[in-house]
Amino acid sequence: AQKVTQAQTEISVVEKEDVTLDCVYETRDTTYYLFWYKQPPSGELVFLIRRNSFDEQNEISGRYSWNFQKSTSSFNFTITASQVVDSAVYFCALSGMIKAAGNKLTFGGGTRVLVKP
Amino acid sequence: SQTIHQWPATLVQPVGSPLSLECTVEGTSNPNLYWYRQAAGRGLQLLFYSVGIGQISSEVPQNLSASRPQDRQFILSSKKLLLSDSGFYLCAWSVRARDTIYFGEGSWLTVV
Repeated sequence: AQKVTQAQTEISVVEKEDVTLDCVYETRDTTYYLFWYKQPPSGELVFLIRRNSFDEQNEISGRYSWNFQKSTSSFNFTITASQVVDSAVYFCALSGMIKAAGNKLTFGGGTRVLVKP
Repeated sequence: SQTIHQWPATLVQPVGSPLSLECTVEGTSNPNLYWYRQAAGRGLQLLFYSVGIGQISSEVPQNLSASRPQDRQFILSSKKLLLSDSGFYLCAWSVRARDTIYFGEGSWLTVV
């Protein structure tokens, strides 16, 4: 069975500080996708990134960066120079590679990030 | 570009009343469709998914049902709501054979 663990339930930072969100996953699949989603107070889940298990290169998108380490089954997310608009709940998720029955995401419990001005 | 809409955005329903949440995807054909529920502001749980018209798979036994009467329409229903059905319901879609799932705006359901 697949499992995603986000050990940090809530992180509070002051604006401009960096914040790193941890994500550890378990799967028996040899190929899989990892995701991060952002859920602002409005509730909608916003897709941030998808990472293929074959690709362990770190990725940077603006103030966001992701560190994928297959050896430790981790997919951590860092927000650099945080802003108040980054305040949200962030979810890490895991999906098996293409399956005929559809794609089923397993979500972590989420980490609430509060950025104070 | 593809868009997904679901409605109503919020509703308050008495125990024992019926439920119907609707979701429509535009800009794509034959998508995979999903219903997720988020209870108590946290974990997301997959309720149903569909790979085609009339094809519904249930992930969790419950008081709810889903239907897909048209290619891009997905409906979540209940004949008699329970208090435990309260939560935030999210419709989602993905392109067949690809794994990124995109979510709608969500529907807040409060059963009283």
